[in-house]
Amino acid sequence: GESVGLHLPTLSVQEGDNSIINCAYSNSASDYFIWYKQESGKGPQFIIDIRSNMDKRQGQRVTVLLNKTVKHLSLQIAATQPGDSAVYFCAENIKAAGNKLTFGGGTRVLVKP
Amino acid sequence: GAVVSQHPSRVICKSGTSVKIECRSLDFQATTMFWYRQFPKQSLMLMATSNEGSKATYEQGVEKDKFLINHASLTLSTLTVTSAHPEDSSFYICSARPGTMAHEQFFGPGTRLTVL
Repeated sequence: GESVGLHLPTLSVQEGDNSIINCAYSNSASDYFIWYKQESGKGPQFIIDIRSNMDKRQGQRVTVLLNKTVKHLSLQIAATQPGDSAVYFCAENIKAAGNKLTFGGGTRVLVKP
Repeated sequence: GAVVSQHPSRVICKSGTSVKIECRSLDFQATTMFWYRQFPKQSLMLMATSNEGSKATYEQGVEKDKFLINHASLTLSTLTVTSAHPEDSSFYICSARPGTMAHEQFFGPGTRLTVL
């Protein structure tokens, strides 16, 4: 079936550098894409979302890019900090399916001091 | 705002017993709540969608008689794992969606279930 997937299971980044986490999706009916951060033993924490009719959205230190042509989503974290170490998930929301979320496989970000 | 709680945060039980997990939206009314299961180093898998006052909708492969879901009020949904077995050991996470929002979900902190 259609699903959301990730390319990199683990990303090591030097503190202060920028991080880029990628996600591929296959369902063209998705109307929203959301990035979540999950720390060990905790529930997912909302980071940022983007509507399917947009190609870029910026938040505080984060930017999400959406390329519908190649069905690719990315999360950029500027000036990565130790507190950014976590697992990051992309998720797609499909309104036609009752606004259910389908999660990607996750990328672990490790920030090196 | 938009805080979701779960209780208990962790539970250990014997094989064959039943365990109830509560999910509460603390400062908003949730017309829809979702239950997810997450195995170690894996992603969240949707188990079921729970609408207040109606039967839950289960995802393919999820046994509705084993995972009983009740959404009796706009702030509370419960998941009961019946006759638990070691393979049911997992991290169970709920989320809640306010009635005024179409796509946003607010997640609880999760419940770690260990079945001995």
